[in-house]
Amino acid sequence: DADVTQTPRNRITKTGKRIMLECSQTKGHDRMYWYRQDPGLGLQLIYYSFDVKDINKGEISDGYSVSRQAQAKFSLSLESAIPNQTALYFCATSPGDPSTQYFGPGTRLTVL
Amino acid sequence: QKEVEQDPGPLSVPEGAIVSLNCTYSNSAFQYFMWYRQYSRKGPELLMYTYSSGNKEDGRFTAQVDKSSKYISLFIRDSQPSDSATYLCAMTTNDYKLSFGAGTTVTVRA
Repeated sequence: DADVTQTPRNRITKTGKRIMLECSQTKGHDRMYWYRQDPGLGLQLIYYSFDVKDINKGEISDGYSVSRQAQAKFSLSLESAIPNQTALYFCATSPGDPSTQYFGPGTRLTVL
Repeated sequence: QKEVEQDPGPLSVPEGAIVSLNCTYSNSAFQYFMWYRQYSRKGPELLMYTYSSGNKEDGRFTAQVDKSSKYISLFIRDSQPSDSATYLCAMTTNDYKLSFGAGTTVTVRA
């Protein structure tokens, strides 16, 4: 089984809808991250969490919120989806090592 | 201006060629320099990392960091079709937040 899983893998939704992307990990890491990837822009950090009670905004947090339900679970919500949130979303975890992050397989989100 | 600049390519080379990838950056506080590899429809995976300046070799892969020029490189020797992927540079201070380049898409032709 994969160490970092994301659900759903693909999602098509309409403008204004609320949507939640979920991430689970079995690696036992405290640090978890949400990124979006757009062509030509690389990975941009949305939110990150260093433990269950620690949530921090990344560089592009507007329009997004997160919930850290447990050490193993970190969810990303789009309260009212808009078309420019169409992107590939990745969850990642990190051990106590600044250089290493383990990524999930990604969720392809399309907002019509 | 982005903190990390990387030419998105694409780059197409014949099998056996040397692939040269590079990134420049503006934040002199970066201490850890990484290369991630991302296959199509997959998440990125760590390929190599270097702490501070210098070179690091791992099989056919060599990573170089020149902090004085704020420039990092990745070389792939004897490239194989299985090396076809997008390569992302990433860097961080010690705050556990990575700054990524845009990624360079590489195709190795058999």
